[in-house]
Amino acid sequence: GEDVEQSLFLSVREGDSSVINCTYTDSSSTYLYWYKQEPGAGLQLLTYIFSNMDMKQDQRLTVLLNKKDKHLSLRIADTQTGDSAIYFCAEIYTGKLIFGQGTTLQVKP
Amino acid sequence: DGGITQSPKYLFRKEGQNVTLSCEQNLNHDAMYWYRQDPGQGLRLIYYSQIVNDFQKGDIAEGYSVSREKKESFPLTVTSAQKNPTAFYLCASTKGASNTGELFFGEGSRLTVL
Repeated sequence: GEDVEQSLFLSVREGDSSVINCTYTDSSSTYLYWYKQEPGAGLQLLTYIFSNMDMKQDQRLTVLLNKKDKHLSLRIADTQTGDSAIYFCAEIYTGKLIFGQGTTLQVKP
Repeated sequence: DGGITQSPKYLFRKEGQNVTLSCEQNLNHDAMYWYRQDPGQGLRLIYYSQIVNDFQKGDIAEGYSVSREKKESFPLTVTSAQKNPTAFYLCASTKGASNTGELFFGEGSRLTVL
């Protein structure tokens, strides 16, 4: 079946850049997504990228897609303490959204 | 404001009891979903419904039941048959019947079995 893999934990200092990585197995995915979950809350769609794009930038967020390696990354520039959360990558597979395990981002002051 | 409301936020249950988690949306969305979240495992799909009076099993439907009598409402019952029900449950919806990946989530319900 489809598998989406992420590392579980990332710690950075405030002001640094954060890079959260994700690998997936279904090469036919049309869109790939990044969701953010703050403690004790639901998920919010952060950004997404269409599969024919290599990069998408939205303010402090940059999404990079390497289709050949099936690798997706989310870069957060100038990381703030408010960015501390769990970040999930996800893709559509057989009409259902498949999530990675989530990466917990810890931002140290 | 439009959104998805889940209740209760916290729920405690004794073993052998059924409990029902509420999910209501006023977004006029067609499809609704229930996910279970366990630490380090991401989200797993329990059930989903693309239209009123119809629903489909997800990847981990055993021990759960749902209904979709109204477009706005998609309650989840955790039955006594669910062997390990302690988890964080998330309800979500999408505008169209097919999943475009742009899900709107509720704030979640945390169920603890004592």
